[in-house]
Amino acid sequence: AQSVAQPEDQVNVAEGNPLTVKCTYSVSGNPYLFWYVQYPNRGLQFLLKYITGDNLVKGSYGFEAEFNKSQTSFHLKKPSALVSDSALYFCAVIVNTGGFKTIFGAGTRLFVKA
Amino acid sequence: EAGVVQSPRYKIIEKKQPVAFWCNPISGHNTLYWYRQNLGQGPELLIRYENEEAVDDSQLPKDRFSAERLKGVDSTLKIQPAELGDSAVYLCASSLLGTALNTEAFFGQGTRLTVV
Repeated sequence: AQSVAQPEDQVNVAEGNPLTVKCTYSVSGNPYLFWYVQYPNRGLQFLLKYITGDNLVKGSYGFEAEFNKSQTSFHLKKPSALVSDSALYFCAVIVNTGGFKTIFGAGTRLFVKA
Repeated sequence: EAGVVQSPRYKIIEKKQPVAFWCNPISGHNTLYWYRQNLGQGPELLIRYENEEAVDDSQLPKDRFSAERLKGVDSTLKIQPAELGDSAVYLCASSLLGTALNTEAFFGQGTRLTVV
């Protein structure tokens, strides 16, 4: 079955430290991968995507993600975390099942402590 | 530019009652999605529209759920009758071309439904 997994329910990091939110996927064919962020009382917001090209993708708010085909991963990273980065992060993959469908991971809650 | 607008933001109903949610997508977006997000989980697609046509409703529980997108713009999602297990956040999203793989979706704030 085609799926995306976020192995960590929660990630805690101190402000100023680098952060990583993990995502792995299982799809047939080429993966089309996305990261979304959900702040409290706000809708999901697009952060970045990998379609093709460079494995390192840069997105909004200083976030980046690295596509690793051999490890089937698409981890979200930021060199220096901010308290305001605290939110719920979702990895997603677009699959073709007779039509294109986005499958979301369960989400990872990021806490950045001052 | 206005984003995806959903109403109401919150709804509390008794089980077996009907409920409806409304979504106004971003102007010019052909594709509209309805997702359900249970607590602690990622969004799950219920139905996807390309203009006024429902092109993927395989995950929509058709015995009690229905949706429409008249004129290919606004959309409503209805549950009748509601069950306790329907309590969730219902998200609407839109995108320019849903069949384009490089297209991200824009989400509304969602409607939090509580069935008591």
